[in-house]
Amino acid sequence: DTEVTQTPKHLVMGMTNKKSLKCEQHMGHRAMYWYKQKAKKPPELMFVYSYEKLSINESVPSRFSPECPNSSLLNLHLHALQPEDSALYLCASSQQLGQPQHFGDGTRLSIL
Amino acid sequence: GIQVEQSPPDLILQEGANSTLRCNFSDSVNNLQWFHQNPWGQLINLFYIPSGTKQNGRLSATTVATERYSLLYISSSQTTDSGVYFCAADQNEKLTFGTGTRLTIIP
Repeated sequence: DTEVTQTPKHLVMGMTNKKSLKCEQHMGHRAMYWYKQKAKKPPELMFVYSYEKLSINESVPSRFSPECPNSSLLNLHLHALQPEDSALYLCASSQQLGQPQHFGDGTRLSIL
Repeated sequence: GIQVEQSPPDLILQEGANSTLRCNFSDSVNNLQWFHQNPWGQLINLFYIPSGTKQNGRLSATTVATERYSLLYISSSQTTDSGVYFCAADQNEKLTFGTGTRLTIIP
């Protein structure tokens, strides 16, 4: 079991749907991250939050909207996604930026 | 951006064998991390190793930052070691993952 909890584990949605991915950690970490991983590829950084403020956006399309309501919670809001957005979405946290990152089990997202 | 290359891309070994995985990075980094992704997709942090050598049980890692490479050693392989091993280089607080080494341990 990991200390970073992601829900849901699986999500199937249509291109017109709106859904959210949730990530929670209770380790007191102040940096949180979203990554996207396509099959047989390495994870790619999407967003970085530090002390609940967006620190890095890796030119991610606006149909992905991150939110960090408090130090333990990170959301990724999804709207009007495309089939190519189907992937494993991984959340991670670290004590501070530049420290070891700990990953959740991910959400497997399929866009129909 | 920084390029992170790993070798070999695939490795098939008998249980009990030893292996060395290599990670080359194209620029100076703040730190280097090694991860294991098991067949279910779980990504586990093995080492945080900006420089020097660390050991954890059957695994050890060495980073030579001045020469821009890191090595992961796995001794006495077990079937549970199977999966993909990623190194990831931290530059400007962004982690860039390497291309990965897929390790298969045969009983």
